[in-house]
Amino acid sequence: QQPVQSPQAVILREGEDAVINCSSSKALYSVHWYRQKHGEAPVFLMILLKGGEQKGHDKISASFNEKKQQSSLYLTASQLSYSGTYFCGTEGGGATNKLIFGTGTLLAVQP
Amino acid sequence: DTAVSQTPKYLVTQMGNDKSIKCEQNLGHDTMYWYKQDSKKFLKIMFSYNNKELIINETVPNRFSPKSPDKAHLNLHINSLELGDSAVYFCASSHLVQQNYGYTFGSGTRLTVV
Repeated sequence: QQPVQSPQAVILREGEDAVINCSSSKALYSVHWYRQKHGEAPVFLMILLKGGEQKGHDKISASFNEKKQQSSLYLTASQLSYSGTYFCGTEGGGATNKLIFGTGTLLAVQP
Repeated sequence: DTAVSQTPKYLVTQMGNDKSIKCEQNLGHDTMYWYKQDSKKFLKIMFSYNNKELIINETVPNRFSPKSPDKAHLNLHINSLELGDSAVYFCASSHLVQQNYGYTFGSGTRLTVV
């Protein structure tokens, strides 16, 4: 089942913050976050494995709730380079650990 | 050196033709994937191979046939191409059982069927 992301799109000014949510109807094994710039490949940002986990680098961080059904990506003091489409990817576990991508969130940072 | 490389980058072909896309990774990963990204940007998994063994085979028309000659290569052959096959096809690789490991994607092949 495809995870649902919200919002679908967000426009920010440089320096503003944004939160992108990713929800699943069932508990997950892990959540990945990727950013895809226009015309390019998705690039891996981070992975969360444990309920209640928070992780981040620089001004981009993410959390995974205790029930492991929701994750949020936090972008603080956004920069022009943050623009792109953000995807969460969820794994349900099992032998194949299939990664199912969310619906995507288009983030546009303006000067 | 490119980590995951796909060829060709662009492919324009007529309906009914057969075409192949090739993918190679030099990261030493044991698992490779094909994803299809449609015009609405949805990324859908198609196939996955782990050490040359097919482990994921989603509901994909049997006109699509993947082949993995070794764990560093994964090809996708498409027969009797249809207009609806137009999309960007991404190859990716990873380690199947290693935690904290993300996917590395190739730059994609934009397929246009006319």
